[in-house]
Amino acid sequence: AQKITQTQPGMFVQEKEAVTLDCTYDTSDPSYGLFWYKQPSSGEMIFLIYQGSYDQQNATEGRYSLNFQKARKSANLVISASQLGDSAMYFCAMRVFNQAGTALIFGKGTTLSVSS
Amino acid sequence: DVKVTQSSRYLVKRTGEKVFLECVQDMDHENMFWYRQDPGLGLRLIYFSYDVKMKEKGDIPEGYSVSREKKERFSLILESASTNQTSMYLCASSFTWDDRGHYEQYFGPGTRLTVT
Repeated sequence: AQKITQTQPGMFVQEKEAVTLDCTYDTSDPSYGLFWYKQPSSGEMIFLIYQGSYDQQNATEGRYSLNFQKARKSANLVISASQLGDSAMYFCAMRVFNQAGTALIFGKGTTLSVSS
Repeated sequence: DVKVTQSSRYLVKRTGEKVFLECVQDMDHENMFWYRQDPGLGLRLIYFSYDVKMKEKGDIPEGYSVSREKKERFSLILESASTNQTSMYLCASSFTWDDRGHYEQYFGPGTRLTVT
């Protein structure tokens, strides 16, 4: 079965520190994509970063990087130099295919709190 | 910029009422999706559509129906609202692939529905 698991309900970090949010996935599909979204308290979902299953290098977008370990089926999000504005819910998601096309399945999310 | 709009940010309805949640996107995306988000459960896919007049059930379609008469508009219908449908509802849209060779969903701001 295809599944995304986020085991950390909440994480706490000080400003300027780095933080890793964990994500493991399960799929038998050789071609897949992994995503991270940020959801601030306002509710909108903000796309952060994408990693394709065939990408050789870990994806990076500014302060965000995705630590992709294919053999371990993990796709952890690393935020360097945390800022107060990083406080939000973070969702890991995976692209899945079915007969009709493609969709995303999401983990349950991790709440990140950044303090000064 | 991609724009996905939802008809209401907050909605309060009574048990048994028929409820329409509207979603409009302005990027000519083929794919549109409806999710519900509940604390501790992440985002769960209700229905999706890959073309006009086409719909596919997601993981939790019971109690919901959808309509896609035009490419830019995807409606979620609660035929007879119940208290267990109190939730945040998120609409999303996407191309099948974008010009970076990957897949991304763009989300609306969400509708927080309360059924009393």
